[in-house]
Amino acid sequence: GQQVMQIPQYQHVQEGEDFTTYCNSSTTLSNIQWYKQRPGGHPVFLIQLVKSGEVKKQKRLTFQFGEAKKNSSLHITATQTTDVGTYFCAGRVSGGSNYKLTFGKGTLLTVNP
Amino acid sequence: DAGVTQSPTHLIKTRGQQVTLRCSPKSGHDTVSWYQQALGQGPQFIFQYYEEEERQRGNFPDRFSGHQFPNYSSELNVNALLLGDSALYLCASSLRQGWGEKLFFGSGTQLSVL
Repeated sequence: GQQVMQIPQYQHVQEGEDFTTYCNSSTTLSNIQWYKQRPGGHPVFLIQLVKSGEVKKQKRLTFQFGEAKKNSSLHITATQTTDVGTYFCAGRVSGGSNYKLTFGKGTLLTVNP
Repeated sequence: DAGVTQSPTHLIKTRGQQVTLRCSPKSGHDTVSWYQQALGQGPQFIFQYYEEEERQRGNFPDRFSGHQFPNYSSELNVNALLLGDSALYLCASSLRQGWGEKLFFGSGTQLSVL
């Protein structure tokens, strides 16, 4: 079955440093979404990427979708303590009857002030 | 505008018992998906309901069943509970079952099986 892998599993940074998490799928995706889950909270939608090679920015966050639509990345510039949480990618395999989002295990980001 | 609401927030059961979890989707949403999230893991898809029918199911045994009501709310039932069923159960709603829809998650039900 479809697998979505994320690395690293954990990342600890000093406030102001950059952070990147990578997501790889075993199958080609129709779209990929990113979610953030604060400690003790629930996943919150950040963004969706659909097109091959797509790049989207949200303030200090940059999201990329690979040319082959099998990998993605999230880069945070100049981390802040408010960025703490687990970042999940979630991919959907194309298919008329497939609506399932498969989540990666996530990358836990901690930020030292 | 209420978001996705789930009840109860916490639940403690013993092995072999049965449990029912409830979810009310975000206003205007008609599709409900259920996910299981073990500690330190990503959410795992259990199933999705649309128009009161189970439209897609993940790799979960038949002990896991669900229902969607005409008002789009949903229930997740788990029979013959095992220790391994201990997890955070998340309900997510979306508008239609289109492939491009983002999910709105509830705060979850933390289930502990002793």
